[in-house]
Amino acid sequence: QVQLQESGPGLVRPSETLSLTCSVSGGSISPKYWGWIRQSPGKGLEWIGNIFYSGSTNYNPSLKSRVTLSIDTSKNQFSLSLSSVTAADTAVYYCARTIWDEDIVGKHYHYGLDVWGQGITVTVSS
Amino acid sequence: DIQMTQSPSSLSASVGDRVTITCRATQSISRYLNWYQQEPGKAPKLLVFGASSLERGVPSRFSGSGLGTDFTLTINSLQPEDFATYYCQQSFSTPHTFGGGTKVDIK
Repeated sequence: QVQLQESGPGLVRPSETLSLTCSVSGGSISPKYWGWIRQSPGKGLEWIGNIFYSGSTNYNPSLKSRVTLSIDTSKNQFSLSLSSVTAADTAVYYCARTIWDEDIVGKHYHYGLDVWGQGITVTVSS
Repeated sequence: DIQMTQSPSSLSASVGDRVTITCRATQSISRYLNWYQQEPGKAPKLLVFGASSLERGVPSRFSGSGLGTDFTLTINSLQPEDFATYYCQQSFSTPHTFGGGTKVDIK
C-alpha cells in the first residue's frame, strides 16, 4: 500500500527557509492531490496547502506569502518550502494524500486525507 | 476562512459507552466533512469522509452524520483503543480547516 515519508532538517534557524520533502512509495504520485499539515506542540492541526500532480496548488492564506509547494513526478516526491521562519513555525509537519473527485465539468472536490506520513519534528531556534 | 468548532473539547467515558462529538461550521459545507483519530505521538488517522462514509478498515462502531453546518461523530460501545483525540476537518473550500479537537479519556 502507499506509504509516505517526510525528510528534511530537524532544526532551522530563525529567518531561514524550512524545506521538507515527502517521498511516496508503493504507488504513483499521479493523478493525486498531496498535502502538508502541521501541528504545533500541544496544539491542533493546521492545513498548510496541497498540490495536484500537475503542479496546481492551493495554499492557506495565513501562510501563502511564505509557502511554496512543488512536485517531482519522476522521483515520486513532493516538497514544502516555508520562508522567513520564526519560533511559531516549530511543529510536527505531516505530508498526506487527499481523496479527490471530479465532476462532469472538471471541477475538483476534495475529501479526507487518507494516507499520512509519520511526521517530522522541525524546531526553529538559533 | 471557514471556522470549525468542536464540542466538547474533552470528555471522560468508560469502555462500552456511546460517545458523541459534534462539529459546527461557520457556513454550509454540504457534506465535505471528515473525521480523524489521533493517538499521542502518531499521525492522524482518517475515520470518516464525506460526512458519513466510513474509511476502509475502520470499525463499524464509528459513524458520522450531518449536512450543511452541523455534524456528528458517534462511537458506539467505546473500546480501550478508542481513547484518543478526534478532529473534524472541512474540505469544502480552501483552506481545509480543522476543528480544535476532542480528547476522549478514560473515566
